[in-house]
Amino acid sequence: DADVTQTPRNRITKTGKRIMLECSQTKGHDRMYWYRQDPGLGLRLIYYSFDVKDINKGEISDGYSVSRQAQAKFSLSLESAIPNQTALYFCATARGNQPQHFGDGTRLSIL
Amino acid sequence: GENVEQHPSTLSVQEGDSAVIKCTYSDSASNYFPWYKQELGKRPQLIIDIRSNVGEKKDQRIAVTLNKTAKHFSLHITETQPEDSAVYFCAASIDQAGTALIFGKGTTLSVSS
Repeated sequence: DADVTQTPRNRITKTGKRIMLECSQTKGHDRMYWYRQDPGLGLRLIYYSFDVKDINKGEISDGYSVSRQAQAKFSLSLESAIPNQTALYFCATARGNQPQHFGDGTRLSIL
Repeated sequence: GENVEQHPSTLSVQEGDSAVIKCTYSDSASNYFPWYKQELGKRPQLIIDIRSNVGEKKDQRIAVTLNKTAKHFSLHITETQPEDSAVYFCAASIDQAGTALIFGKGTTLSVSS
């Protein structure tokens, strides 16, 4: 679904670096979400936002921060990356209480 | 907080058989229960969902049932085909609007021909 774009698609970086993952959407959806996926653990909610002024912590927000710069953009930051943050990260969007649509994911490796 | 348990973690069936995946949730306030399918290397995609005011929903070969009293819901796939092979995730909502989700850990379904 090209309407939800995640950048970069792949990133390899070192422990201690600051990383930003970006998500943009052209769907006009008000709600945006960040998840991480690890083998055998499913998708875990990191942060979610219902509009530009509304940010909520999910299950595993420690070590992460987010910014909703505009309705169409939601960024996830790792202030000081650590190896156990190596994972596949997904952004998702939704309109109101409609189902979430996922982006293609960002594969992040922290050495 | 909400906890979603999903079983089994792996499921192997023969083409044409039925497959059933079960999930339980802990928060009685949850009111939205979607199921996502994720093929290898792809994004999760919604296949069916159900809200708390409905007990069952069908879409061709796929159905979902919900038992709010027991706090469990199930995905039923009939007449399975090799292209049904994927990882399936259930989820339950954690907010009143039913949009923020907690996911189960997934079931890897393999359909052999």
